[in-house]
Amino acid sequence: NAGVTQTPKFQVLKTGQSMTLQCAQDMNHNSMYWYRQDPGMGLRLIYYSASEGTTDKGEVPNGYNVSRLNKREFSLRLESAAPSQTSVYFCASSAGETQYFGPGTRLLVL
Amino acid sequence: GNSVTQMEGPVTLSEEAFLTINCTYTATGYPSLFWYVQYPGEGLQLLLKATKADDKGSNKGFEATYRKETTSFHLEKGSVQVSDSAVYFCALSDRTGGSYIPTFGRGTSLIVHP
Repeated sequence: NAGVTQTPKFQVLKTGQSMTLQCAQDMNHNSMYWYRQDPGMGLRLIYYSASEGTTDKGEVPNGYNVSRLNKREFSLRLESAAPSQTSVYFCASSAGETQYFGPGTRLLVL
Repeated sequence: GNSVTQMEGPVTLSEEAFLTINCTYTATGYPSLFWYVQYPGEGLQLLLKATKADDKGSNKGFEATYRKETTSFHLEKGSVQVSDSAVYFCALSDRTGGSYIPTFGRGTSLIVHP
């Protein structure tokens, strides 16, 4: 039982490049979330998915897209990366109120 | 909208000292309240939670009581250890449509010296 896994662990991009962050959970949870964590800002919700086939915007969705591929997987795509998207990205899943987090992806945009 | 305010850090303590990290919240409904902990290089993990007023959550020697009258959920531990050094996040969870949408505080870094 791996819980929530994220790939890659670390990525460096140049401004304008695109990439997809992958997330998978093996706990059969309906809901999945993407957050970014910046120093002094806590966690901010980018997008969430209440169930397979649905996605909704969170607090900071601009510059991102998501896909809920199936019940297990929820990916986050940066179409044209900007230095302001340098951050640590966390995926989480839940079956109720408690969130279960992945280990994070550190993204540096130059 | 919902919001969570927690004391700024870092909080620096000696081993075996008493810990308090303050957390207050604003919410329109009756949310559940949480403390999550983040160890260096890792994701957040649940430390404790309380689902209604006057409930006390506890885990690993940490405690917090849901105080509706003061809209607070302060985290306490009687005797901290070096291994408690981490970032602590207060959060509330509110149901929106089919999902629970959490609101996190900005986090408080705790550093415990031997």
